[in-house]
Amino acid sequence: DSGVTQTPKHLITATGQRVTLRCSPRSGDLSVYWYQQSLDQGLQFLIQYYNGEERAKGNILERFSAQQFPDLHSELNLSSLELGDSALYFCASSVEEGEPNTGELFFGEGSRLTVL
Amino acid sequence: QQPVQSPQAVILREGEDAVINCSSSKALYSVHWYRQKHGEAPVFLMILLKGGEQKGHDKISASFNEKKQQSSLYLTASQLSYSGTYFCGTPSHLYGATNKLIFGTGTLLAVQP
Repeated sequence: DSGVTQTPKHLITATGQRVTLRCSPRSGDLSVYWYQQSLDQGLQFLIQYYNGEERAKGNILERFSAQQFPDLHSELNLSSLELGDSALYFCASSVEEGEPNTGELFFGEGSRLTVL
Repeated sequence: QQPVQSPQAVILREGEDAVINCSSSKALYSVHWYRQKHGEAPVFLMILLKGGEQKGHDKISASFNEKKQQSSLYLTASQLSYSGTYFCGTPSHLYGATNKLIFGTGTLLAVQP
C-alpha cells in the first residue's frame, strides 16, 4: 500500500460524458502528479500540482483539467469523452516540488476509465 | 522527449540474468527505475544520481553513464517475482519547480519456471 488513494477504481461511461477522478496523496506529500496509461502503452505525464498550484503540464488535452485543493487532494476532470480516452489514470505523490531529482514517486492503484 | 528502452520485451527462465537499457537524447540528471506488474501501479525500484549515488533495491543493480546519457538495469538470478514491465524515468530539468518525471517506453520482462 503506497498510501495514495484513488477513486473510483473503475468507471464506465459513454462518449461525450464528463467524469471526475479523485486522488488523495500520502500524508505529508505536497506534490501530486497525474499520468495516463493507455492499453499496453507507457506512462504519459499529464499534469503536476504542488501545494495547490499548477507546476508542470505535459500532454494534457484541453478537454482535461485538474486542480489540487487546500487539503491537498486532487481531482482530474475529463470532459467530452472520446473512445480514445479509455485508459488507466494514475495519480502519484511526492514530498517536495523538485522530487523527481532525488526521490521516488508513490503511485496510487489507478482509476480505469472505459468510454463506450 | 521520452527515453527509449531496449529490449522491448525479454523472456527468461528462473535464475537467468537480464539487462534493460534506457537511453535519452537529453542530458540525464538522475534516472529512476520502476516496475509495474500487470494491472497494478508502478513501484519504485531505485534511483541513480549524478556522482554515482544509488538508492534503492537490494537484489537489482543499475548503472548510470552521464556522458552517454544511458542507464542500465541489471537483474541477476531472476525470480518469478521479477516479471513485469520495467520503466526508466528521467526528470525534465536539473532542478526547479516544473520538474517532472518522464517515463521511458517500457520493457516487458517475463520470467518462466
